[in-house]
Amino acid sequence: EAQVTQNPRYLITVTGKKLTVTCSQNMNHEYMSWYRQDPGLGLRQIYYSMNVEVTDKGDVPEGYKVSRKEKRNFPLILESPSPNQTSLYFCASSLSPPRGYGYTFGSGTRLTVV
Amino acid sequence: GEDVEQSLFLSVREGDSSVINCTYTDSSSTYLYWYKQEPGAGLQLLTYIFSNMDMKQDQRLTVLLNKKDKHLSLRIADTQTGDSAIYFCAESSRDDKIIFGKGTRLHILP
Repeated sequence: EAQVTQNPRYLITVTGKKLTVTCSQNMNHEYMSWYRQDPGLGLRQIYYSMNVEVTDKGDVPEGYKVSRKEKRNFPLILESPSPNQTSLYFCASSLSPPRGYGYTFGSGTRLTVV
Repeated sequence: GEDVEQSLFLSVREGDSSVINCTYTDSSSTYLYWYKQEPGAGLQLLTYIFSNMDMKQDQRLTVLLNKKDKHLSLRIADTQTGDSAIYFCAESSRDDKIIFGKGTRLHILP
């Protein structure tokens, strides 16, 4: 089944403890992206990648890192999480820049930083 | 910059038609999208329309595009309880990004 898989689905962590949220897609998509979803703010793009070893900042990149060493994986790294990073995170992928194709989204990771 | 606006809530009686509206700012948008988010799930692409089209119909879904007014709507005919979700309007921006609205929560009344 074609899908984007994120892990974990739920995570509670403490301020300052490094964490990684994994994202993997099995559709050979070139374009991958991370979003966070917050009440009243909708979806905001954190980082995106147009291909292997090519990553760019989105609208809210502060406090996050990403890497794209392989086409299928696009992990999101929080080196020193803070409470304002408590949010619902989505990974998404697309065949190309998603203009004509739209995104396939993962099921989300709900992160709580205390 | 580019922006997508939509109302936050809509309540509709089961069996009636739902119409969710959206306005966008980027006149160069080539694609406009509707995504559906069910509770506890990611966004799912429902449909999209190319900017040179006025209307697109897919079973119970009808998308209308008024490019002059930069207005997009999604009509769901014969609304069912399974249609209860958040619906996101989105546009493709000139730098190949997708700009999402804040989402409209559709509530179905019995």
